[in-house]
Amino acid sequence: GDSVTQMEGPVTLSEEAFLTINCTYTATGYPSLFWYVQYPGEGLQLLLKATKADDKGSNKGFEATYRKETTSFHLEKGSVQVSDSAVYFCALISGGFKTIFGAGTRLFVKA
Amino acid sequence: GAGVSQSPSNKVTEKGKDVELRCDPISGHTALYWYRQSLGQGLEFLIYFQGNSAPDKSGLPSDRFSAERTGGSVSTLTIQRTQQEDSAVYLCASSSGLAGSWLFFGEGSRLTVL
Repeated sequence: GDSVTQMEGPVTLSEEAFLTINCTYTATGYPSLFWYVQYPGEGLQLLLKATKADDKGSNKGFEATYRKETTSFHLEKGSVQVSDSAVYFCALISGGFKTIFGAGTRLFVKA
Repeated sequence: GAGVSQSPSNKVTEKGKDVELRCDPISGHTALYWYRQSLGQGLEFLIYFQGNSAPDKSGLPSDRFSAERTGGSVSTLTIQRTQQEDSAVYLCASSSGLAGSWLFFGEGSRLTVL
């Protein structure tokens, strides 16, 4: 079945460091790919999305590119801030309407 | 409403009791989802509604779990004879129902079974 695998956390970075959170997927057909973020004490919210191969989703300085050849959707940010501390979830929808989530990666950013 | 609303936000119950968790989706959203998030774990899919029908119930862990949706709006997730392993945060989400549309989440109902 469809699945999402993302790097285990926690990831701890200093402010202004470069961030990469790896995400790979297994899916039939051509899934839409998403990154969701859960800030402390808040509900999950969409961060960015991409619906077809080579699409780049971007928001709040974060980017991820849909790589069909490597079945990946890695999340990157050039310079993280303390306010980026959160749990990040990679997800996909394939075929139907069920969104499949990865296990989540917790990010801590130190001042 | 403006966002997805869930109640109660916190529920503590004794083992063996029944609990009901409520979700009020964004107005006009036809699709509604329930997920479970256990401590340190990802999101486990439970059930999906399109309108009042549930095309996919594949994630319900056992027959103690059931859900309904009435009027194409509010949904209730019921857990009968709760067990300690049911302790988790239960998340509700809604979407427009269009293929590939993303989810809008509520803040969850934290269930603790003693």
